[in-house]
Amino acid sequence: KNEVEQSPQNLTAQEGEFITINCSYSVGISALHWLQQHPGGGIVSLFMLSSGKKKHGRLIATINIQEKHSSLHITASHPRDSAVYICAVPYYGGSQGNLIFGKGTKLSVKP
Amino acid sequence: AAGVIQSPRHLIKEKRETATLKCYPIPRHDTVYWYQQGPGQDPQFLISFYEKMQSDKGSIPDRFSAQQFSDYHSELNMSSLELGDSALYFCASSLGFGNSYEQYFGPGTRLTVT
Repeated sequence: KNEVEQSPQNLTAQEGEFITINCSYSVGISALHWLQQHPGGGIVSLFMLSSGKKKHGRLIATINIQEKHSSLHITASHPRDSAVYICAVPYYGGSQGNLIFGKGTKLSVKP
Repeated sequence: AAGVIQSPRHLIKEKRETATLKCYPIPRHDTVYWYQQGPGQDPQFLISFYEKMQSDKGSIPDRFSAQQFSDYHSELNMSSLELGDSALYFCASSLGFGNSYEQYFGPGTRLTVT
């Protein structure tokens, strides 16, 4: 079974700051997911990536398959970015679809 | 664009009652995953379906059952509800089975067992 570790668990930033959230996993995978969850709300998929880097607006996700590590960056952070960010990988690595989730990083961006 | 639909969004039940949660995947998506997220917990995989057949099973209690219908919607049936079943249940759909396909998550059903 894959093990997922995220850091930091909690993160407080001032508006405009550059933010980095890290995710490490133990078993080789074909793709990793970054998800966003607002308090009491559902989950939104931000990125699915298997190599290199993806960018969407102010969000950038990178992955290093050899080092089993991924990072999510938020540039010019804004209070509306406040949410829990979760990385998820295949439960057993490989190609199965069911995911195992990290504990999440709770981000709070102050104005 | 159409998203994953879950109903109901909120459900309150008493202990030992039954509950049925429904998930309507994005049109043309043939795979559905069910996850359970307890209070303050990370989501846990319950069960998945691909082309109306169970494709994988996780930590789903024997009191729960699920199926995927001919129109690809899925239902999670929960019997003999316990207080510990109180959680956010969300489903995800994808265009195919496996990790090569992006999962699109529904808004979740918040189940409260009293």
